Amino acid sequence: SQTIHQWPATLVQPVGSPLSLECTVEGTSNPNLYWYRQAAGRGLQLLFYSVGIGQISSEVPQNLSASRPQDRQFILSSKKLLLSDSGFYLCAGRDLNYEQYFGPGTRLTVT
Amino acid sequence: GDSVTQMEGPVTLSEEAFLTINCTYTATGYPSLFWYVQYPGEGLQLLLKATKADDKGSNKGFEATYRKETTSFHLEKGSVQVSDSAVYFCALLYKAAGNKLTFGGGTRVLVKP
Repeated sequence: SQTIHQWPATLVQPVGSPLSLECTVEGTSNPNLYWYRQAAGRGLQLLFYSVGIGQISSEVPQNLSASRPQDRQFILSSKKLLLSDSGFYLCAGRDLNYEQYFGPGTRLTVT
Repeated sequence: GDSVTQMEGPVTLSEEAFLTINCTYTATGYPSLFWYVQYPGEGLQLLLKATKADDKGSNKGFEATYRKETTSFHLEKGSVQVSDSAVYFCALLYKAAGNKLTFGGGTRVLVKP
C-alpha cells in the first residue's frame, strides 16, 4: 500500500508571504495525486489533481498553484497568501484499486 | 453534477449506542462509494467501500450497503465506543480520468462514556 508524507505539519504565515507545501508518495509509481483543502468545520474541497509529471488540473480558481516536478512529488504553492487561504491541507494518492490514501495534513494559519 | 449529501452533525451518542449516519448521492452511472473517517487533527482514513449495487462494505464494526434504488450508502455501527468519536465523510468516485472523489460535508460524531 502507499504512504503519503506531508510537511510541515503546522505553519503560521503572514498575509502576503509565499507558501510551499510538499507531498511525497511511497509504495507506488505513477500515482494520481490530489490536493484538498478543509476549512474549519467544513468538508473537503478538491483544489488540484495530477495524473503524471507536469500534468496539473485545477478545480477552482484561487490564489494557489500546484506542480509535480517528479513522479512521487506534489507541491502546493502560493506567491502571496490571503487570510482566506487558512485551512487544513490534505494530499492524497490513488492506488490501483481506485482508493485514495491521505497524508496527515498541514494546518495553515494565515495571520 | 455529482453530489453527496450527509446528515448534519454533530451527532452525540452514549457508549454502546447504535449509530446511523445517512448518506445519499446524486450521480449519473454507477459510481463506487466510500466512507472515510477523520480523527481529531489527522488526515482521512478509508473506513469502507462498495463498488456496485447491493455490495456491503464493512470494517471495524461499521457497515454500509450500496442501495442503488434509493441512491444511498448509510453508515451503521451497532455499538459505538468513545474511540469512534471522529468526523465521517461519505464520498463517491467514478473510474474516469482523474478519478476524483466527490465528498459530502462530513458528520461529526461524539461518543460520550
